[in-house]
Amino acid sequence: AQKITQTQPGMFVQEKEAVTLDCTYDTSDPSYGLFWYKQPSSGEMIFLIYQGSYDQQNATEGRYSLNFQKARKSANLVISASQLGDSAMYFCAMREGRGSTLGRLYFGRGTQLTVWP
Amino acid sequence: DVKVTQSSRYLVKRTGEKVFLECVQDMDHENMFWYRQDPGLGLRLIYFSYDVKMKEKGDIPEGYSVSREKKERFSLILESASTNQTSMYLCASSSLLQRNEQFFGPGTRLTVL
Repeated sequence: AQKITQTQPGMFVQEKEAVTLDCTYDTSDPSYGLFWYKQPSSGEMIFLIYQGSYDQQNATEGRYSLNFQKARKSANLVISASQLGDSAMYFCAMREGRGSTLGRLYFGRGTQLTVWP
Repeated sequence: DVKVTQSSRYLVKRTGEKVFLECVQDMDHENMFWYRQDPGLGLRLIYFSYDVKMKEKGDIPEGYSVSREKKERFSLILESASTNQTSMYLCASSSLLQRNEQFFGPGTRLTVL
């Protein structure tokens, strides 16, 4: 079974609008972390935001926020006031807290976001 | 700033050649990773290492091997390159002390002819 599921291969949003990128995860480990990365067309992976499983509040980093719904195993990324430079591939990832595999991330297949003027 | 460097941005090799992809990080991270990225498949983990001389298979280790003789360096080896190994290869490193956020190198686009 997929550990991370991103159901939107592509999303389109108009500049200055907000957009939500979906991510659901599957784990039985009570301790885990969730990450979002951005990959522009240049190819580098840019870390955006992190949410720990025990964090009480949703993580925010500037225009990025993570809508963490633990019971639904959902960790959607919300980008407010989209900009043309937000056009990129976005990956959701999860770390589980287990032994020697501690540290590996499970990635989703990504969502290609296109921001249009 | 954490820096992860990869030996080449672009590489072209012939079928059957032995290929070495090198990755170096400068932040004393314990963990290092090799992924391949293909359109529509996301990032798939090939191998990772959580200590010098230690290695663990990821999800797609077939056709690859790795070497970690020094903490800062993690090498991916294609013993006999095949055309289906044409891909983007990404190296990453992380530290438990930094919630295991992974820092990525710029990637190597490998073409096997």
